[in-house]
Amino acid sequence: AQSVTQLGSHVSVSEGALVLLRCNYSSSVPPYLFWYVQYPNQGLQLLLKYTTGATLVKGINGFEAEFKKSETSFHLTKPSAHMSDAAEYFCAVTLRDFGNEKLTFGTGTRLTIIP
Amino acid sequence: GAGVSQSPSNKVTEKGKDVELRCDPISGHTALYWYRQSLGQGLEFLIYFQGNSAPDKSGLPSDRFSAERTGGSVSTLTIQRTQQEDSAVYLCASTTRGGHGYTFGSGTRLTVV
Repeated sequence: AQSVTQLGSHVSVSEGALVLLRCNYSSSVPPYLFWYVQYPNQGLQLLLKYTTGATLVKGINGFEAEFKKSETSFHLTKPSAHMSDAAEYFCAVTLRDFGNEKLTFGTGTRLTIIP
Repeated sequence: GAGVSQSPSNKVTEKGKDVELRCDPISGHTALYWYRQSLGQGLEFLIYFQGNSAPDKSGLPSDRFSAERTGGSVSTLTIQRTQQEDSAVYLCASTTRGGHGYTFGSGTRLTVV
């Protein structure tokens, strides 16, 4: 079975400051890892994903995440926060198992940007 | 189609009535998923289709919930005898085999009154 834990249900950062959203995973086999963003009253939009290869993954809107197997982490960062980054962010994991590919989500982190 | 399409976008129903929610996945995507997003509950997996088969329906909360997929394409999630606790946003996603790209629809917001 797989799971993800997102530390911090609410994170506030000042505009222009570093954004760091934490995600730790648990998986019995090598995982695929994802970050999704959800703006108010909208669906989920894929920010970035780790499947294989390079452990530093770059996504849309200046976000990136690093897969660290030794720490079982996949934290999301952005060097400089923008007001438009205010949203809810979800980390998700699925197994490299073609028989069962469902995404398991964390509980989400609501990001607030302080002007 | 270009994206995952869900209908209706909003549904208000009376307690005890049946509802059907529709998901039209991206053309060629073999896998289709239903999730439920409730306030304070996060994103809850309901059921997963590979083609027309459902290898994993472990997330369906009760026997009032059922889903089918026909022609390897459109899926319908049916909730019978709706209860107030069924009020949530129901999200559908599709992907190709291997889990490389899950695309979500905008969801159906269900309100049971």
